[in-house]
Amino acid sequence: DIVMTQSPDSLAVSLGERATINCKSSQSVLYSSNNKNYLAWYQQKPGQPPKLLIYWASLRESGVPDRFSGSGSGTDFTLTISSLQAEDVAVYYCQQYHSSPYRFGQGTKLEIK
Amino acid sequence: EVQLVESGGDLVKPGGSLRLSCAASGFTFTSYSFNWVRQAPGRGLEWVSSISSSSGYIYYADSVKGRFTISRDDAKNSLYLQMNSLRAEDTAVYYCARSYCDGSGCHRLFDYWGQGALVTVSS
Repeated sequence: DIVMTQSPDSLAVSLGERATINCKSSQSVLYSSNNKNYLAWYQQKPGQPPKLLIYWASLRESGVPDRFSGSGSGTDFTLTISSLQAEDVAVYYCQQYHSSPYRFGQGTKLEIK
Repeated sequence: EVQLVESGGDLVKPGGSLRLSCAASGFTFTSYSFNWVRQAPGRGLEWVSSISSSSGYIYYADSVKGRFTISRDDAKNSLYLQMNSLRAEDTAVYYCARSYCDGSGCHRLFDYWGQGALVTVSS
């Protein structure tokens, strides 16, 4: 089984500053046959279901602001919010969809400093 | 507009059973695979089960294998989760989630989610 570990568990960033969340998988989620990383990022605000932000590690879902970006390959990935807005306060999760069980990271709580 | 609406959440005693439903609309149901993801109170997300578009591929998390059964009724545009032998640790909001599908097929990442159904297992 692939275990997903996020860091940090919580993060406080000033408005307009950069926020960086890391995700590490216990095994590579890169499929050599298509050179794609099977890694997604979600945002969950209180009382709401999660929302897909990023898939294939770096592709932004339609409608997601371009201040959100994903990077990384193999086992190490990063979600970056280039200029934090008040509406970005949420818990962020990474998820691998390389193989069952399709585990999520434990989540990173992002707050305003 | 894509919509997923869960129903069937309730308070049930340990050892009891419950069936969750998810009604889908706004897209071609038969073209997609579906999933159940749960979230215990104050906790993170846990993938529970997946079913392919043809029902030919079904997967479960070890924590529910042998107790939960995922199914779909394409004629009713509906997804189901039959939950038996429920335990206190099954207490959670259960989300129905659609798999992302592209030209290469459907993948177990989730592009649309319902609002969730609360299942509470307690005596």
